[in-house]
Amino acid sequence: DAKTTQPTSMDCAEGRAANLPCNHSTISGNEYVYWYRQIHSQGPQYIIHGLKNNETNEMASLIITEDRKSSTLILPHATLRDTAVYYCIVRVAHTGNQFYFGTGTSLTVIP
Amino acid sequence: EAQVTQNPRYLITVTGKKLTVTCSQNMNHEYMSWYRQDPGLGLRQIYYSMNVEVTDKGDVPEGYKVSRKEKRNFPLILESPSPNQTSLYFCASSLEGTDTQYFGPGTRLTVL
Repeated sequence: DAKTTQPTSMDCAEGRAANLPCNHSTISGNEYVYWYRQIHSQGPQYIIHGLKNNETNEMASLIITEDRKSSTLILPHATLRDTAVYYCIVRVAHTGNQFYFGTGTSLTVIP
Repeated sequence: EAQVTQNPRYLITVTGKKLTVTCSQNMNHEYMSWYRQDPGLGLRQIYYSMNVEVTDKGDVPEGYKVSRKEKRNFPLILESPSPNQTSLYFCASSLEGTDTQYFGPGTRLTVL
C-alpha cells in the first residue's frame, strides 16, 4: 500500500473550514484514500473514503486531485470537538489486509 | 449496542509475566486487528485476522501472539512482556468487504 505524507499539525479557527492535506504521490490505480480521526486517546473513528471522485458525508468532504496524487479532507465548520489527530490512509479496498495509519495531522480548533 | 470491548483497560505488570488482553466484538465482523500506539510513531498494526483461524502479521508482530478460535474474540497474548511493549493498545473490527474499522476503547499497558 502507498505511503502518505501529512503535516504534523495545523490550527483552525472555530466555525471556519478546516482543510487537511494529504500527499500520496505513489498511489496505485486500485487504491482508495481513507480518512480516520482520533480524539485524544480514544479509538480512531472512520470519517470518509474515496477513489477518484469527490465525496461528501455528514462529517466531511473529501477532495481528490485529478492525478490522485493528493487529497484534502474538509471539515466545513470546525468545532472544538473536531480537535483530533487526522489520519490519511491509502490502501486497496476490501482486501482485508494491513492498514498503515502513520502519524497523522494534529488539528487544533481554536475558539 | 454495537461495540468492540477490550479488557483490561489499564494494566501494570512486570517483565516476563505472561498476560492476555481480550478483545470482543458483537457485530459479527470477519476482520479483526490489533494496533499499538506510541508517541511519535503513530498507530502501528501488530496482527490482523480476516476470519476464524486466519491470522497474519502486521508491521510490529515481534513479542506478540494472537488467536482467532471464534469470530467474536481476538485475544492479544504477550508471552514474556518487556518494557518496550509499554504502550496503548487498540483492537478493531470491520465487516468483510468494507474498510470501516470500529475501534475498542484502548488498553494502556505498562511493563516494569
